[in-house]
Amino acid sequence: KAGVTQTPRYLIKTRGQQVTLSCSPISGHRSVSWYQQTPGQGLQFLFEYFSETQRNKGNFPGRFSGRQFSNSRSEMNVSTLELGDSALYLCASSPGQGAWETQYFGPGTRLLVL
Amino acid sequence: QKEVEQNSGPLSVPEGAIASLNCTYSDRGSQSFFWYRQYSGKSPELIMFIYSNGDKEDGRFTAQLNKASQYVSLLIRDSQPSDSATYLCAVNHNNAGNMLTFGGGTRLMVKP
Repeated sequence: KAGVTQTPRYLIKTRGQQVTLSCSPISGHRSVSWYQQTPGQGLQFLFEYFSETQRNKGNFPGRFSGRQFSNSRSEMNVSTLELGDSALYLCASSPGQGAWETQYFGPGTRLLVL
Repeated sequence: QKEVEQNSGPLSVPEGAIASLNCTYSDRGSQSFFWYRQYSGKSPELIMFIYSNGDKEDGRFTAQLNKASQYVSLLIRDSQPSDSATYLCAVNHNNAGNMLTFGGGTRLMVKP
């Protein structure tokens, strides 16, 4: 099976702009979770989507949003970018049956905000 | 605030030795525990998962879980230079889905 794919891999934006990142899960996986990784805060959970519905949400401002399509592909959007949004954004997929599952990570999108 | 704590390291061990990585967590209701390895500039890859108290072995890796003491550990036997990476402990305390809380990671250096 193909792994989790994320596009784009690298992105440079300026403050105030918005950005959309895409994630395609492993075939058959219905849960997609998004994480932000920074040197200062480490890996932090953003949100999880399952069957086109947000199932869990982390402690991030409303500028961070996401959605999931019927084919389980997911997008996350960050509006009004701030310098502190520079990070590696990772998505992870799993079958979606619950907390006992293993999540598999994609290669990530590295976002730089200038 | 549900927390997961790891010693940031670096933990330096000679090639062939046993590396011991530890992790503590605050939420007593946590159900599943994962160890991921992350090489510099790469995404995390799963090493082990464990759900029940005790030991779980997979090749050179052994995960240990003690829910009463709220700690998880990872032992790497016969450490190789290729094991040099950051090891992330992750806990899922949400029974209704996937919501991992990660520790800050322990950097392991295996010296030839």
